Amino acid sequence: EIVLTQSPGTLSLSPGERATLSCRASQSVSSSYLAWYQQKPGQAPRLLIYGASSRATGIPDRFSGSGSGTDFTLTISRLGPEDFAVYYCQQYGNSMGTFGQGTKVEIK
Amino acid sequence: QVQLVQSGAEVKKPGASVKVSCKASGYTFTSYSISWVRQAPGQGLEWMGWISAYTGKTNYAQMLQGRVTMTTDTSTSTAYMELRSLRSDDTAVYYCARDWGATAARGVFDYWGQGTLVTVSS
Repeated sequence: EIVLTQSPGTLSLSPGERATLSCRASQSVSSSYLAWYQQKPGQAPRLLIYGASSRATGIPDRFSGSGSGTDFTLTISRLGPEDFAVYYCQQYGNSMGTFGQGTKVEIK
Repeated sequence: QVQLVQSGAEVKKPGASVKVSCKASGYTFTSYSISWVRQAPGQGLEWMGWISAYTGKTNYAQMLQGRVTMTTDTSTSTAYMELRSLRSDDTAVYYCARDWGATAARGVFDYWGQGTLVTVSS
């Protein structure tokens, strides 16, 4: 099973600042099968990024994804008040899916 | 518009079974697949498994093998997830999500159900 480790666990930032979230895999992941989700309290997750770097429909261009192999990054260029949430990376490979443990982006 | 509407909250005793439904609308059901994801209280997301709505093929998370069964009813565009031999640590919100792959999992979940809380308690 591929284990995804996200860092940091919590990111304390102010609106307007840049957020950089990391996702490291225990073995190489196909970029085509790496996605990022945002989840707010009491809500279902929302797809942000798929294929490591493609934005899902309706996602603002301040969200961007990058990386390959075992290291992937989600960047939020300028945090809006609605961006404070928990973010999960997720991969699918070898007929199994796994999620990272999440990074909480909180208001400083 | 695409919608996934799940069945209501359940309370079960340890050892019992639960079956959660997920009714899809707004798209051709058999052109996509369904994954199930759960989230224990205050915890992260856990992938449970996947089913092709076109072929009925399934893949299950190893830790749930033998306790979980996923099925679909194409006549009603509904997916089902049954979990047996429930334990207290199965208490969670269970989500269905549409996966882009029709015959093979794509691992991209673009629409989600609203979630179903399953509580396991004696």
